[in-house]
Amino acid sequence: DAGVTQSPTHLIKTRGQHVTLRCSPISGHKSVSWYQQVLGQGPQFIFQYYEKEERGRGNFPDRFSARQFPNYSSELNVNALLLGDSALYLCASSLSPNYGYTFGSGTRLTVV
Amino acid sequence: AQSVTQLDSQVPVFEEAPVELRCNYSSSVSVYLFWYVQYPNQGLQLLLKYLSGSTLVESINGFEAEFNKSQTSFHLRKPSVHISDTAEYFCAVSDTNAGNMLTFGGGTRLMVKP
Repeated sequence: DAGVTQSPTHLIKTRGQHVTLRCSPISGHKSVSWYQQVLGQGPQFIFQYYEKEERGRGNFPDRFSARQFPNYSSELNVNALLLGDSALYLCASSLSPNYGYTFGSGTRLTVV
Repeated sequence: AQSVTQLDSQVPVFEEAPVELRCNYSSSVSVYLFWYVQYPNQGLQLLLKYLSGSTLVESINGFEAEFNKSQTSFHLRKPSVHISDTAEYFCAVSDTNAGNMLTFGGGTRLMVKP
């Protein structure tokens, strides 16, 4: 079975631009969460979606948004990119919010 | 709200020696506890988890962790490490009622030397 897949794997953007990151959960998983991992730090929670509804939001500015589609895949959007948005963005999926999460390999975003 | 403290940012150890990676957490509610491992340029892999029941949990590759509620700790141990265990290890907690949104510690880099 395929694990959690994220695309693209690497991305370079310029300050002020917009970026969309994509995540396909494990088949049958209905919950998706997004985390930001800045180099040298632990991951920070951004969003959680379950059954296409937002179930949780971390302490991130409104420039960050996400959505979950009917097939349970998800997108994370970041507007007006800042240098500080450079990080590894991790997607994780689960059968439901109360089960353990499986993480993808992440998208490495570099803002220049 | 929860917080997680991993007391050591780096732990150097020789191959075949024992190791303990320390994790303490703070929470006003019941929590689930996790250890994840991250190899270079990769995502996170679940190593082991405590949800309920026995306070000692084990992984398939020889790691174990013990939940100590009174000391709010969940230290990770392995009696004999291998070069291949070199990686970043993250301790994480989630509120049992908060849908498994994870709060991570800052990580501990385990460096196994020959």
